[in-house]
Amino acid sequence: EAQVTQNPRYLITVTGKKLTVTCSQNMNHEYMSWYRQDPGLGLRQIYYSMNVEVTDKGDVPEGYKVSRKEKRNFPLILESPSPNQTSLYFCASSSLLGLETEAFFGQGTRLTVV
Amino acid sequence: SQQGEEDPQALSIQEGENATMNCSYKTSINNLQWYRQNSGRGLVHLILIRSNEREKHSGRLRVTLDTSKKSSSLLITASRAADTASYFCATVRMDSSYKLIFGSGTRLLVRP
Repeated sequence: EAQVTQNPRYLITVTGKKLTVTCSQNMNHEYMSWYRQDPGLGLRQIYYSMNVEVTDKGDVPEGYKVSRKEKRNFPLILESPSPNQTSLYFCASSSLLGLETEAFFGQGTRLTVV
Repeated sequence: SQQGEEDPQALSIQEGENATMNCSYKTSINNLQWYRQNSGRGLVHLILIRSNEREKHSGRLRVTLDTSKKSSSLLITASRAADTASYFCATVRMDSSYKLIFGSGTRLLVRP
């Protein structure tokens, strides 16, 4: 089954404690991205990756890091989380065969930073 | 920055009625997509319309695109309680990059 898997689904952490949210896709997609979703703001893109070792900033990259060492994995790293990073996070992947492809989303990670 | 803006922000209708949601965007696009999100869950792709298309149908969904007005609409006919969800438009820009940019969404409530 084609899917994007995020872990963990829920996470409560304290300010400053480094954390990683994992994302894995089994569709051999070139394109992967991270979004955060906040009430009234829709989905905002944090980082995206066009392929292995190719990453770029989205609209709200401050406080986040990513890496793309393998095609299937695209972890999101918060080196020093702060309360304003409390949010619902989604990983997504797409094929880059043309631009007319749909994005597949993970089930989300609800992060609370206290 | 947000590319798409949905209107209305929230919509409440009776089961069996039609629901219409609108999306406006700012830059030239390659295509526009609509997604659905059940509460707190991941988004699911509904339909894609290319920039050279004006209308597209999929089951009870009808999407229109007006590139001169930079707007799109999603019509759900004969709505059901199970259609209750948030609906987002997303655009892919007309350049060499692939970047899917989402609007803020419309929350649809279908009352049984």
